[in-house]
Amino acid sequence: DGGITQSPKYLFRKEGQNVTLSCEQNLNHDAMYWYRQDPGQGLRLIYYSQIVNDFQKGDIAEGYSVSREKKESFPLTVTSAQKNPTAFYLCASSLSTGRGSSYNSPLHFGNGTRLTVT
Amino acid sequence: SQQGEEDPQALSIQEGENATMNCSYKTSINNLQWYRQNSGRGLVHLILIRSNEREKHSGRLRVTLDTSKKSSSLLITASRAADTASYFCATARVGNQFYFGTGTSLTVIP
Repeated sequence: DGGITQSPKYLFRKEGQNVTLSCEQNLNHDAMYWYRQDPGQGLRLIYYSQIVNDFQKGDIAEGYSVSREKKESFPLTVTSAQKNPTAFYLCASSLSTGRGSSYNSPLHFGNGTRLTVT
Repeated sequence: SQQGEEDPQALSIQEGENATMNCSYKTSINNLQWYRQNSGRGLVHLILIRSNEREKHSGRLRVTLDTSKKSSSLLITASRAADTASYFCATARVGNQFYFGTGTSLTVIP
């Protein structure tokens, strides 16, 4: 079955440590996204990537970094510079119809990673 | 922020009743999508309505879009306990950027 796998489901870290969240998809989608979800604030876009070796900042990129070395993988690193890292992190993918396209295909989401930093 | 706003924030209804939730957004869009999220899980795509469409149906779901008012509504008819979830609207713009609203938490009481 095709889908998006996020791991781990729960992650605990000490303040000051960097942590990397995994996201893998076998849907052959070009575009991948990272969102952060906090209670009462909906989803906020951290980073997105439309093709391999290219990615763009979203609304809240500060304190985060990503890489897109393979089409299937889009890991997110939460660095010690992120002031409030405790949150639910969601990875998503979609077919990319290219820059400037007037159509957006739906997002497919993983089941998230709940990160707790103490 | 380009986020939309859902209204109401929370909705509680009896099984069999209809549930209506609304979404307002700020900028011009290519299309608007509705997603559902069960507690602690990822979002699941429900329905997409393009900017040149006014109404769309899918099973028990009915979505309307009014681009002049920058608003959309999602109607779930004959609700079931299994419809209990949070519902989000997402606006899509050129360049594959999606922006989500704050969500409506729906509780369907058996």
